[in-house]
Amino acid sequence: SQQGEEDPQALSIQEGENATMNCSYKTSINNLQWYRQNSGRGLVHLILIRSNEREKHSGRLRVTLDTSKKSSSLLITASRAADTASYFCATVHQAGTALIFGKGTTLSVSS
Amino acid sequence: GAGVSQSPSNKVTEKGKDVELRCDPISGHTALYWYRQSLGQGLEFLIYFQGNSAPDKSGLPSDRFSAERTGGSVSTLTIQRTQQEDSAVYLCASSSRTSGDYSSTDTQYFGPGTRLTVL
Repeated sequence: SQQGEEDPQALSIQEGENATMNCSYKTSINNLQWYRQNSGRGLVHLILIRSNEREKHSGRLRVTLDTSKKSSSLLITASRAADTASYFCATVHQAGTALIFGKGTTLSVSS
Repeated sequence: GAGVSQSPSNKVTEKGKDVELRCDPISGHTALYWYRQSLGQGLEFLIYFQGNSAPDKSGLPSDRFSAERTGGSVSTLTIQRTQQEDSAVYLCASSSRTSGDYSSTDTQYFGPGTRLTVL
């Protein structure tokens, strides 16, 4: 069964705009990760935030984590056409090993 | 160094045939994972190998699915008597996670996947 649920399922924006994607999960976690997938193939790791962290930045990416609400958000600032992809959140349970993925948000950035 | 590689990139087979999918993890990574991605089910965990420990097979959907990891490196996922619902992209990932290290970061590096189509 899937742990995370992303919202929205699809997002279309113009280049230069910011894109925000949200993820909710069900059980206690060790960390939460965001991945990007182009063209339905390999996943690329973007950023990891640990359960004791609240916010993390990496380049144009900003991730927040609210463990009380069991939710996370990924913000991509100043989006580019190359950011067009599917974005997945994934969690690692406190007693788990494998990643449990959400269903993903499909982002389309038009120039 | 090279990333995770998988072969073949595409596989078309007939219902009832057996298939083998291969994964070469990043050198030195002790943890290896298999996932599959299908339209209806999204990304699902299948099996996890950690060093010489017994694998975590809790995600395998049926006994037609099996996997092995020889010499702690290359892994093969075998699907026997394939069914149409086995059609999916099979993804392999590896990480440097060590056994029992639940508090560590666990960035998993994914291969490009094998697209399996069962006719």
